[in-house]
Amino acid sequence: AQRVTQPEKLLSVFKGAPVELKCNYSYSGSPELFWYVQYSRQRLQLLLRHISRESIKGFTADLNKGETSFHLKKPFAQEEDSAMYYCALSGKGTGANNLFFGTGTRLTVIP
Amino acid sequence: GAGVSQSPRYKVAKRGQDVALRCDPISGHVSLFWYQQALGQGPEFLTYFQNEAQLDKSGLPSDRFFAERPEGSVSTLKIQRTQQEDSAVYLCASSLGPGDEQYFGPGTRLTVT
Repeated sequence: AQRVTQPEKLLSVFKGAPVELKCNYSYSGSPELFWYVQYSRQRLQLLLRHISRESIKGFTADLNKGETSFHLKKPFAQEEDSAMYYCALSGKGTGANNLFFGTGTRLTVIP
Repeated sequence: GAGVSQSPRYKVAKRGQDVALRCDPISGHVSLFWYQQALGQGPEFLTYFQNEAQLDKSGLPSDRFFAERPEGSVSTLKIQRTQQEDSAVYLCASSLGPGDEQYFGPGTRLTVT
């Protein structure tokens, strides 16, 4: 069975400080991993996916298969990064590509 | 064009009532997903359509939940005899194809009293 764990419900950092949002997963096959973000009063939107290996808004995430982790990192947090972040996985080859989400981490960047 | 839209945005139902939630996906998107998000939780998968075919309904919590997409565009999620535990935000997402980026709607917040 698939499982996504985000151990921190809340995370506060000062502006300009590095930030890391943790995500661990369990899945018997070869998953695809995602980070979704929800800014205040906005809808859920894709931030990045591991297969694209892009850096979006200064965020990066590396898939570590040995540790089954997909932590989200940014070297210098900005106030506009304050939002709810969800880690999600999708099982490759299942056809449906439905997403399994973690419980989310609310990031607050303190000015 | 416009993104995914959902209506109503808010719905209050008395326990035992039936409700219908509507999703208008992005035009041309083949894949459509429904998720349920309880307070303090992440979204949980309910069901998936490819065009008008419901290919996966493994996440529907009970037979009181029913979804359809008869013409492969608009979808309706129906909940019969609502219970308090059905209170949640119901999210709809669409994607161009099965493996493509999912675009989410604003959600419908259902409160069962």
